[in-house]
Amino acid sequence: AQKITQTQPGMFVQEKEAVTLDCTYDTSDQSYGLFWYKQPSSGEMIFLIYQGSYDEQNATEGRYSLNFQKARKSANLVISASQLGDSAMYFCAMSLRRGGKLIFGQGTTLQVKP
Amino acid sequence: NAGVTQTPKFQVLKTGQSMTLQCAQDMNHEYMSWYRQDPGMGLRLIHYSVGAGITDQGEVPNGYNVSRSTTEDFPLRLLSAAPSQTSVYFCASSEPGQPMEAFFGQGTRLTVV
Repeated sequence: AQKITQTQPGMFVQEKEAVTLDCTYDTSDQSYGLFWYKQPSSGEMIFLIYQGSYDEQNATEGRYSLNFQKARKSANLVISASQLGDSAMYFCAMSLRRGGKLIFGQGTTLQVKP
Repeated sequence: NAGVTQTPKFQVLKTGQSMTLQCAQDMNHEYMSWYRQDPGMGLRLIHYSVGAGITDQGEVPNGYNVSRSTTEDFPLRLLSAAPSQTSVYFCASSEPGQPMEAFFGQGTRLTVV
């Protein structure tokens, strides 16, 4: 069965420091995608970063990078130089080959302290 | 540049009432899906569609119906609302290929009393 696990319900980070949000996944498919979404208190889902299962290099998007370790089935999100506006819920998700279906983890609430 | 539009944004229903949550996308995406988000949980897939006329069940389909008569629209019907269906509902669309980013609507907050 496909599953996403986020083991950190809540995290604190000091402004301007880096933070890593953990995500592990389970699937028997060879082709899949891994995503991170940000959900601020306003409720919308904001796409942050994507990693394909065949991508050899870790994905980066500005201050966001995805630390993809395929053998360990982990896809951790690294946010560098945290900002107050980064305070939000973060979801790791996995897409399977067909259908655009996403499987989500339970989320990690990140609070950035000034 | 509307993207994915969900209506209504908020709704209160009485137990046993029926209603339809609307979802429309203007990106000509093949894939559309509905999720629900309960407090402290991630989004869970209710139903999805890979194209007009084709739908299938997700993880939590009971109590919901969908149809996809056009590429643009993917309504979600609650047949007989129950308090357990109190949740925030998200519609998403995406296109086959890489990267498979899903575009989400703003969500519908539904309360069943």
